[in-house]
Amino acid sequence: DQQVKQNSPSLSVQEGRISILNCDYTNSMFDYFLWYKKYPAEGPTFLISISSIKDKNEDGRFTVFLNKSAKHLSLHIVPSQPGDSAVYFCAAIRWGVNNDMRFGAGTRLTVKP
Amino acid sequence: NAGVTQTPKFRVLKTGQSMTLLCAQDMNHEYMYWYRQDPGMGLRLIHYSVGEGTTAKGEVPDGYNVSRLKKQNFLLGLESAAPSQTSVYFCASSSRDRQYQPQHFGDGTRLSIL
Repeated sequence: DQQVKQNSPSLSVQEGRISILNCDYTNSMFDYFLWYKKYPAEGPTFLISISSIKDKNEDGRFTVFLNKSAKHLSLHIVPSQPGDSAVYFCAAIRWGVNNDMRFGAGTRLTVKP
Repeated sequence: NAGVTQTPKFRVLKTGQSMTLLCAQDMNHEYMYWYRQDPGMGLRLIHYSVGEGTTAKGEVPDGYNVSRLKKQNFLLGLESAAPSQTSVYFCASSSRDRQYQPQHFGDGTRLSIL
């Protein structure tokens, strides 16, 4: 069963606008969440993370929001740039089980110039 | 800065053949992982290691074996390849400094089993 879900396989936005990528999870034991970015023919690279004790974490143009009651998190990219075009993976970890990171299927973001 | 290096990048095998994928990291990380990525699915953990000489099963371990004889290397073996093992394989490593250290990934090995 997929415990982390990204229901939108793709998203297209205009350069300069906001990109919002969504992620839902089913396991309430998850307490740390990460976003990874992946370009073609490369491995995923860490982008931003958030602990379950927070509801927002910001790093430059990237902000992650966590809604624990809804078991939902989102990644906001403002403003979006063509170089942001990539596949974005949401991932989640349980406390004490750092080695068992569960990934969503990914969302392909295309930022049009 | 090599980071995590996977060898080979591409390979085609026939059903029943065996092979070993090599992962090497130069960051002195304690933890290493092997994942597979299939279309429409996220990365799934095959096996992992928390230190030299130790390995453990992940979410989808069947059909694979691993070894970690040296801290910097993590090997993934397919004893008798099956078409269901056609996938892109990623190796990753992370440090033990804090509970939630992000994992650093290699660029992947694309494996096709005919």
